[in-house]
Amino acid sequence: SQTIHQWPATLVQPVGSPLSLECTVEGTSNPNLYWYRQAAGRGLQLLFYSVGIGQISSEVPQNLSASRPQDRQFILSSKKLLLSDSGFYLCAWSVGQGYNSPLHFGNGTRLTVT
Amino acid sequence: GESVGLHLPTLSVQEGDNSIINCAYSNSASDYFIWYKQESGKGPQFIIDIRSNMDKRQGQRVTVLLNKTVKHLSLQIAATQPGDSAVYFCAENGSVGTYKYIFGTGTRLKVLA
Repeated sequence: SQTIHQWPATLVQPVGSPLSLECTVEGTSNPNLYWYRQAAGRGLQLLFYSVGIGQISSEVPQNLSASRPQDRQFILSSKKLLLSDSGFYLCAWSVGQGYNSPLHFGNGTRLTVT
Repeated sequence: GESVGLHLPTLSVQEGDNSIINCAYSNSASDYFIWYKQESGKGPQFIIDIRSNMDKRQGQRVTVLLNKTVKHLSLQIAATQPGDSAVYFCAENGSVGTYKYIFGTGTRLKVLA
């Protein structure tokens, strides 16, 4: 069965520090991978998605970047965190090579920038 | 824990009763819809999905109804249990052939003992 791992679960970082959140998927090949941010009382905001190694689509101009160095690894990064980067970050995967398949989410990272 | 769900509409249901959670979707071109359950501190969990060529789909204790005429989606939970307490939200694919899903803000379900 497929599993998705996302870490760390919580993170407190000072303003101006770098960020690296990692997500890995097991049990499937060539998945579509996503990074979302969830704000209280709001729907999930798509930040990045990837349909293959090295392919990254950015949805929202911001202080963040994403990379996919391996088929089942997705990394969210920032060189210098802002206070506004605080939030709940979710990684997700879906079956590749097709549309209309559900997203499967990790358990998220709660990021607090102080 | 996760603070998502603050200021969300809340549905309170007695344990054992049926729950109906509603969602109005935004894009008439959407042809695929998903319901998720999110417990505090966790990521959203897939419950059930439906394609636009169907108007009803059943799973274990859950039923999703789709009314394309009024762009309305509902999730019915039979014999609601305490473990069903969570935030529920719907998602639509926005248009055919896209990887981008549009998510609703959610409804909090509280199960009363």
